Amino acid sequence: GEDVEQSLFLSVREGDSSVINCTYTDSSSTYLYWYKQEPGAGLQLLTYIFSNMDMKQDQRLTVLLNKKDKHLSLRIADTQTGDSAIYFCAESIGDYKLSFGAGTTVTVRA
Amino acid sequence: GAVVSQHPSRVICKSGTSVKIECRSLDFQATTMFWYRQFPKQSLMLMATSNEGSKATYEQGVEKDKFLINHASLTLSTLTVTSAHPEDSSFYICSARGTSGRAGATNEQFFGPGTRLTVL
Repeated sequence: GEDVEQSLFLSVREGDSSVINCTYTDSSSTYLYWYKQEPGAGLQLLTYIFSNMDMKQDQRLTVLLNKKDKHLSLRIADTQTGDSAIYFCAESIGDYKLSFGAGTTVTVRA
Repeated sequence: GAVVSQHPSRVICKSGTSVKIECRSLDFQATTMFWYRQFPKQSLMLMATSNEGSKATYEQGVEKDKFLINHASLTLSTLTVTSAHPEDSSFYICSARGTSGRAGATNEQFFGPGTRLTVL
């Protein structure tokens, strides 16, 4: 978790866009991932991006990758109450391991 | 597809006893499974990497004699917390890496729902 950093909290109004930011350190990471964790549950893969891509869009989710700055972001359009959760950024490191950030708690308010 | 289950989902035990947690890949074969520990409001800490038919590889600072891992088949890995103490109370999550399809190509890990361990 020390090599991947995220802001800890984000509060957003329902219907607005959420942007969660993440920085990582391993320039050799092949894939970068965004996971969602709801209370008391395991992790659900939301989306991933290959390191040679700049952007990936999947329905309401948009991932932007700035490889030069080692910066990854996740944008959730039209945020809903069901999007309230903890979002983890993760980078792939050697031997198929993942290194996770500390997680960003997203709270959606009406 | 790519479902991972854990059993039990919640366990409470007395200090000094041992607890076994199972992780199963239900609809795919997983040559590699990972065990994580998550403290409240914190990230997942990788404890060990488990490969089918071989000894687990433990991360630095994780006691292998305390956290016994067995990966006897391509669909099952177990974590046994031996002589559990209150400081072992945590949320334990496993994940499995597939060997084919999207999972094999993207190194994606599929996560179980987690096991909440409380040691009294």
